[in-house]
Amino acid sequence: SQQGEEDPQALSIQEGENATMNCSYKTSINNLQWYRQNSGRGLVHLILIRSNEREKHSGRLRVTLDTSKKSSSLLITASRAADTASYFCATPLPGGSEKLVFGKGTKLTVNP
Amino acid sequence: EAGVVQSPRYKIIEKKQPVAFWCNPISGHNTLYWYLQNLGQGPELLIRYENEEAVDDSQLPKDRFSAERLKGVDSTLKIQPAELGDSAVYLCASSRGPSGGTEQYFGPGTRLTVT
Repeated sequence: SQQGEEDPQALSIQEGENATMNCSYKTSINNLQWYRQNSGRGLVHLILIRSNEREKHSGRLRVTLDTSKKSSSLLITASRAADTASYFCATPLPGGSEKLVFGKGTKLTVNP
Repeated sequence: EAGVVQSPRYKIIEKKQPVAFWCNPISGHNTLYWYLQNLGQGPELLIRYENEEAVDDSQLPKDRFSAERLKGVDSTLKIQPAELGDSAVYLCASSRGPSGGTEQYFGPGTRLTVT
């Protein structure tokens, strides 16, 4: 079953522009995580935001969480060609489950 | 610190053949995960270990898939016999504890092609 779903499925921008990706989920969560996956490689954890947090920053990354709308967004500012990757949101299953469920991801292409 | 190590990186086998994947997690990480990732999809959990105990294997097709984590460190995932639909990337990840709050560290994956 899919808990989180990213939007858009694909995004193409020019270097220097900002990129925004969204994630919607279905049930209550205690945290939401964002991961990046470069082509042909494993996933890398970017940021974790807890349900009592509304916004979190890490370098050029800004993540927001709106629990009333069951949605999160990942903003990458001043994008670089190296940001080209797929970005996934992941949420634990409801009921205190420790199982992390990933969405299908947003494929971001940053053109030089 | 060294990351999660997986081998082999690529494997091509004929259907009905057996195949095994190996994973060495980050030192000190008690939780180990095996995921399957199909093209254009996110990872899907196959099995999760807490130390040497498999605590969540509900998504593991037990008729052909098996896994073990002896001594609570390295782990192997086996498919026997492989089917065409098993072609995918198999990812191993580890974390310090339950994933509800702690981040997971992923290996580079093994890309399996079944012909």
